[in-house]
Amino acid sequence: QVQLAESGGGVVQPGRSLRLSCAASGFTFSSFSMHWVRQAPDKGLEWVAVTSSDGSIEYYADSVKGRFTISRDNSKNTVYVQINSLRADDTAVYYCARELRFGDFDYWGQGTLVTVSS
Amino acid sequence: QSALTQPASVSGSPGQSITISCTGTSSDVGSYNYVSWYQHHPGKGPKLIIFDVTKRPSGVSDRFSGSKSGNTASLTISGLQAEDEADYYCCSYRSPDSWVFGGGTKLTV
Repeated sequence: QVQLAESGGGVVQPGRSLRLSCAASGFTFSSFSMHWVRQAPDKGLEWVAVTSSDGSIEYYADSVKGRFTISRDNSKNTVYVQINSLRADDTAVYYCARELRFGDFDYWGQGTLVTVSS
Repeated sequence: QSALTQPASVSGSPGQSITISCTGTSSDVGSYNYVSWYQHHPGKGPKLIIFDVTKRPSGVSDRFSGSKSGNTASLTISGLQAEDEADYYCCSYRSPDSWVFGGGTKLTV
């Protein structure tokens, strides 16, 4: 069955960097665009970034442009997001999600918590 | 990038129907049929319940239905059940190259 498992979260000081991973299984990973979505404490979902199936296309939310980089390794069935210059408002649970059709996300991971604090 | 507008909360009794609205702009909801809805229970990943405005994924109850008029999409849940209590989010593609979620609606049954 389709599974997505995020990892890499933790407590990080402001200004530092962090790379989150999302390991996929149960489907042909290289055929699907993959997204990152986050949820800050007591807030709603916020779309973060997308990478196309072959990694050639990336789009970002304005709020993270320039600090976040999404990437993927289709040989490892893994999508990543590199977060630089971490700020307190990056504190959130970060989810990866598979895009089945254009515009919808049919499978999600359980999320990994990133806490930015000194 | 402003979020789509949803009511913060709705409530209903078992067996009743409720509707959650999701208001966007001509750059997202009003121009594209790429509107989806998600059910989110705390501690879990969100679950897709409606895609392309009105379509239900296999396995999703037909008590869930979606619609759209102009810049506003809606999710209707009929025959409310206790297990429907969750947070609900709409999502839309927004031109030229992003996706946007609603602020979320807490449903109390």
